[in-house]
Amino acid sequence: DSGVTQTPKHLITATGQRVTLRCSPRSGDLSVYWYQQSLDQGLQFLIQYYNGEERAKGNILERFSAQQFPDLHSELNLSSLELGDSALYFCASSEGPAGDTQYFGPGTRLTVL
Amino acid sequence: AQRVTQPEKLLSVFKGAPVELKCNYSYSGSPELFWYVQYSRQRLQLLLRHISRESIKGFTADLNKGETSFHLKKPFAQEEDSAMYYCALKAHGQNFVFGPGTRLSVLP
Repeated sequence: DSGVTQTPKHLITATGQRVTLRCSPRSGDLSVYWYQQSLDQGLQFLIQYYNGEERAKGNILERFSAQQFPDLHSELNLSSLELGDSALYFCASSEGPAGDTQYFGPGTRLTVL
Repeated sequence: AQRVTQPEKLLSVFKGAPVELKCNYSYSGSPELFWYVQYSRQRLQLLLRHISRESIKGFTADLNKGETSFHLKKPFAQEEDSAMYYCALKAHGQNFVFGPGTRLSVLP
């Protein structure tokens, strides 16, 4: 167990809807990363927050947004959902802003019907 | 831009046979290379990183800058090694770039 938690484990919703995924980092870690893992795209980096501030952006759609709260937990908001958004969404955390080992959460499986 | 390729989507070997999971990267500088593993129904976890030059669960990986490769090797595969393996690169000041992954299946 890496200490990173994610809720919910599974989420089933319909196209056009909006969902929020939650991640709590390991104790002491200030960075949170979000990744999308789909069958055809592999593991894609979406966005990173460090100590409440956006640190880096990857292949994140405009329909998606994220934030990190003062208690360091993070939420990934996905809106106007499309069938292609169905994937596993992983959160990872690390101690510092860059160059550290990342510890992954168990993931949230999102199914858009 | 940094890129990581893992040419094999699926690799099947028999128990006790040597295994090599290939990883090639494109980056002009000096990257950090990692191998992550995802066992069935478990989260992704770090297997090893090149700077530590350690052997974890019998696996080793050597960074070959000339060939821009970071292949993962184990001399005698075990059934419990069956998993998804991801090679990842981290350039200085940049974020992680993961390869597409190789599913290793160790047959009895």
